[in-house]
Amino acid sequence: GQQVQQSPTSLVLQEGENAELQCNFSTSLNSMQWFYQRPGGSLVSVFYNPSGTKQSGRLTSTTVIKERRSSLHISSSQITDSGTYLCAMEDNNNAPRFGAGTKLSVKP
Amino acid sequence: NSKVIQTPRYLVKGQGQKAKMRCIPEKGHPVVFWYQQNKNNEFKFLINFQNQEVLQQIDMTEKRFSAECPSNSPCSLEIQSSEAGDSALYLCASSRQGSGQLYFGEGSKLTVL
Repeated sequence: GQQVQQSPTSLVLQEGENAELQCNFSTSLNSMQWFYQRPGGSLVSVFYNPSGTKQSGRLTSTTVIKERRSSLHISSSQITDSGTYLCAMEDNNNAPRFGAGTKLSVKP
Repeated sequence: NSKVIQTPRYLVKGQGQKAKMRCIPEKGHPVVFWYQQNKNNEFKFLINFQNQEVLQQIDMTEKRFSAECPSNSPCSLEIQSSEAGDSALYLCASSRQGSGQLYFGEGSKLTVL
């Protein structure tokens, strides 16, 4: 079935370091989205990026459809970037499915 | 910011009790999704609707779980007889027709004692 694999599971950075989060899919991709989950549980959309590269401030997302993967790059990490990052992908036959998330901790 | 409204934010039920959660999708979004996020932070897709029609659902929702999206009323997810394993964060999302982009509400956190 449809599977979404995220790596790493967790990541600890010093403030100012860069982070690279990966999301891999087992089926062909129709759309994909990156989310940040706040400690209280609500999901904030970071990128909707079905293909190509998108940038917003210090965040960059690149989705390569034929390789069935997407990445989220965080440059010059800040303490407030700490939290869980989730990717969700949709194929032609299924509603969006989520990965298990990457827990990011940025320390001073 | 998302304008998907979920109520209640928290609910506490005893085993065997009914639990009902509501969701108002963003205006103009005919597609509504329900997800369950368990204590291990794993997401499970439950059901989705386009307008009032069910598009997809998993097997568990055919038993104790029921959901509907009536016209001119909030969508709802109801658990007929709550079990301890149902304790989770229930997240509702909506999207435009033909778009895979999800907009989530704040979630309803269910605790079954």
